[in-house]
Amino acid sequence: AQKITQTQPGMFVQEKEAVTLDCTYDTSDPSYGLFWYKQPSSGEMIFLIYQGSYDQQNATEGRYSLNFQKARKSANLVISASQLGDSAMYFCAMREFYTGANSKLTFGKGITLSVRP
Amino acid sequence: GAGVSQSPSNKVTEKGKDVELRCDPISGHTALYWYRQSLGQGLEFLIYFQGNSAPDKSGLPSDRFSAERTGGSVSTLTIQRTQQEDSAVYLCASSQPGLGTSEQYFGPGTRLTVT
Repeated sequence: AQKITQTQPGMFVQEKEAVTLDCTYDTSDPSYGLFWYKQPSSGEMIFLIYQGSYDQQNATEGRYSLNFQKARKSANLVISASQLGDSAMYFCAMREFYTGANSKLTFGKGITLSVRP
Repeated sequence: GAGVSQSPSNKVTEKGKDVELRCDPISGHTALYWYRQSLGQGLEFLIYFQGNSAPDKSGLPSDRFSAERTGGSVSTLTIQRTQQEDSAVYLCASSQPGLGTSEQYFGPGTRLTVT
């Protein structure tokens, strides 16, 4: 079974509107972290936001927030007030702190977001 | 400060040749990772170095792949007898040790094309 699932096809959003990018995960590890990375066409991986499995509140970083629903094993990224520069691939990733002792990240296949002017 | 650097940025090689890819992590980062990203796909973990500990090689796809890290800093990923399916972008990342929440900082990658 895939550990990180990102099944949305290419997403489109109008500039200045909000968009939600879906991510579900699968783990039996009691302690884990969830990450979102942005990859523009230039190829670099840019860290956006982190959510720990024991965090009581949803993470927020500027225009990015994470809608963490632990029971449903989902960690959706919400981008508010979309900008043209948000057009990129977005990857959800997980680190398992006990079973994944090497702290590697397991990535989903990514979602392409296109922001329309 | 300087980020993670990788060289070369692009490499075209003939099938059967050996290639070496280099990664310079952020100074002070003792954890170093190699990932592979095939066209339109997510990142696939290859190998992990943490300080002087034995590396975790569990992600290496075959024995043609190897990596070393000299002096706890620079790392070299070597692919022997390259095959066309090795064509991908190879990304290196580094992070602070011991902090589970610490993000991994990625380099710009090396795009490998095997003809």
